Amino acid sequence: AQTVTQSQPEMSVQEAETVTLSCTYDTSESDYYLFWYKQPPSRQMILVIRQEAYKQQNATENRFSVNFQKAAKSFSLKISDSQLGDAAMYFCAYRSPAWHEKLTFGTGTRLTIIP
Amino acid sequence: DVKVTQSSRYLVKRTGEKVFLECVQDMDHENMFWYRQDPGLGLRLIYFSYDVKMKEKGDIPEGYSVSREKKERFSLILESASTNQTSMYLCASSENSRVRMHLSNQPQHFGDGTRLSIL
Repeated sequence: AQTVTQSQPEMSVQEAETVTLSCTYDTSESDYYLFWYKQPPSRQMILVIRQEAYKQQNATENRFSVNFQKAAKSFSLKISDSQLGDAAMYFCAYRSPAWHEKLTFGTGTRLTIIP
Repeated sequence: DVKVTQSSRYLVKRTGEKVFLECVQDMDHENMFWYRQDPGLGLRLIYFSYDVKMKEKGDIPEGYSVSREKKERFSLILESASTNQTSMYLCASSENSRVRMHLSNQPQHFGDGTRLSIL
């Protein structure tokens, strides 16, 4: 079974600075998908960014980018120019290519933005 | 935009009650999921369904059952509620890339969650 580890329960960053959230996973599969979700205080889980394992190029969405290291099984999220609205719980998730398409989540990192 | 609607934002029930949590999606998605979210544990999958009347156990199905009579609706049932089922419950839906005959990295879309307290 796959596992996802987020070793930083809490992080904080000064507004306008850059922060990196770490995520590692364990799998024996060679093809899979990885996601970062954000959960603000409003509680709705919002997709931030996604990465296919077969793609070597790191995904980027505006101020959000990932550092995907397949050999190291690492998938970190970098947030540039942090804004107050980035404050949230961030969850890393793994999805197998198997038919069920279910997600395995990490335990989350709570990000605080310091004005 | 995809809309996943959970029937209650907050719910308070008593031990031993039968509890129904309802979830409706409006995007004709094949897959639907129920998770519970607890501090320090992240989201854990309870049950999922990939088609009407089809259901599969997730990682923590004990004490729960589900029903999917219509494609857009997925219900989670606590047969006899207990205090250790006090939690946040999240519903999600997604396309099934195999059914739709394309390989794509489809994300799951989530509802706003139901915070359930069992007294």
